[in-house]
Amino acid sequence: DIQMTQSPSSLSASVGDRVTITCRASRSVHTSLNWFQQKPGKAPTLLIYDVSTLHGGVPSRFSGSGSGTEFTLTINSLQPEDFASYYCQQRYNTPFTFGQGTKLEI
Amino acid sequence: QVLLVQSGAEMKQPGASVKVSCKASGYAFVSYGVSWVRQAPGQGLQWLGWISGFNANTNYAQKFQGRVVMTADRSTNTLFMELRSLTSDDTAVYYCARDGVGIAAAGKPDYWGQGTLVSVSS
Repeated sequence: DIQMTQSPSSLSASVGDRVTITCRASRSVHTSLNWFQQKPGKAPTLLIYDVSTLHGGVPSRFSGSGSGTEFTLTINSLQPEDFASYYCQQRYNTPFTFGQGTKLEI
Repeated sequence: QVLLVQSGAEMKQPGASVKVSCKASGYAFVSYGVSWVRQAPGQGLQWLGWISGFNANTNYAQKFQGRVVMTADRSTNTLFMELRSLTSDDTAVYYCARDGVGIAAAGKPDYWGQGTLVSVSS
């Protein structure tokens, strides 16, 4: 299985800040990398697929980059509703695997 | 709008089986598949497998092979995930999520159900 490792595991920031979350794969997943947001008690929602394509309705302050084994999710100008957990996920090989998550706190 | 509505919470004893349903609406059922993902309390996300709404082909994570069965009922646009031989480690919220119709297009779950809590305890 491809292991996905996110850093940091948790992150404190303020409204208006720019934050970056890193995701590393144990081997290349090429550009088959997605990002999800999850708020407490809710289902995850798709933010970005295939490294950098925003899912419909996702604000442009979210962006993704990378390829191969290293990827980043950047959130510009944090808004109050962005404080949540974020997960990367590879879909290059089954089983599809997720990172352990990054909790973004105020 | 795309909706996936899951069945209610379940409490099971160790060794039992659970069957979770996921009723899809708002899209062409046969044009998509569904992935099942679970989340243990306070933990991350784990993919169990995928089923095609077109031909009911499945792809299960090796970890769950032999213990999970995913089915699709095209007459009611409902998907099912049955997990057998439950242990306390299976206590989790189970999610269905719309995904690609073929396995090559899968792995990009874009709309999720609300989740079903399965608790396993004696």
